[in-house]
Amino acid sequence: EPEVTQTPSHQVTQMGQEVILHCVPISNHLYFYWYRQILGQKVEFLVSFYNNEISEKSEIFDDQFSVERPDGSNFTLKIRSTKLEDSAMYFCASSARRVSGRAIYEQYFGPGTRLTVT
Amino acid sequence: SQQGEEDPQALSIQEGENATMNCSYKTSINNLQWYRQNSGRGLVHLILIRSNEREKHSGRLRVTLDTSKKSSSLLITASRAADTASYFCATVQGGKLIFGQGTELSVKP
Repeated sequence: EPEVTQTPSHQVTQMGQEVILHCVPISNHLYFYWYRQILGQKVEFLVSFYNNEISEKSEIFDDQFSVERPDGSNFTLKIRSTKLEDSAMYFCASSARRVSGRAIYEQYFGPGTRLTVT
Repeated sequence: SQQGEEDPQALSIQEGENATMNCSYKTSINNLQWYRQNSGRGLVHLILIRSNEREKHSGRLRVTLDTSKKSSSLLITASRAADTASYFCATVQGGKLIFGQGTELSVKP
């Protein structure tokens, strides 16, 4: 069964450093997402991406964050200058069609990348 | 926040018992979804119920939806140790999922 993959599984970085988290969505999916989960808290939406551009982003997704689909398979999240509060589990997800009130399709989540900022 | 609270926050039961988790939300919805998260892992979609449905079954899972009370429940029957996980409800707002706080279920063998 196709699945979303993410690398690395764990990333440790120093405050102020740049990190890039990698995701390979399911191959025929068109919509891509990043979520994060701070330890012990709920999963929070960061950004959605479709047709090579950001569809929607949350307040969390400030200028320090960027996403890119550099080729036909990868989807990356970059944090330019990491802060301690960026420590969290970051999940990539993809869906065949937009998860909206009209188009009802589930999102498939990757296993996550645990980011630790020291 | 679009999403309310889930209760209980934690639930511990014996294998074979039923587990019921509740979720409340604040705005009108078109559908509500339940996800499972095993410790340290990603989220797995369990079931989706549409706003015009009141109950839905999938294997040992039963989901109910009461749009008048803006609440949903997830029932896992005949629980197994492998059901130990966190369970989240999620509603859709535009193109994104809004998750609840989750219920941490522990099933003891």
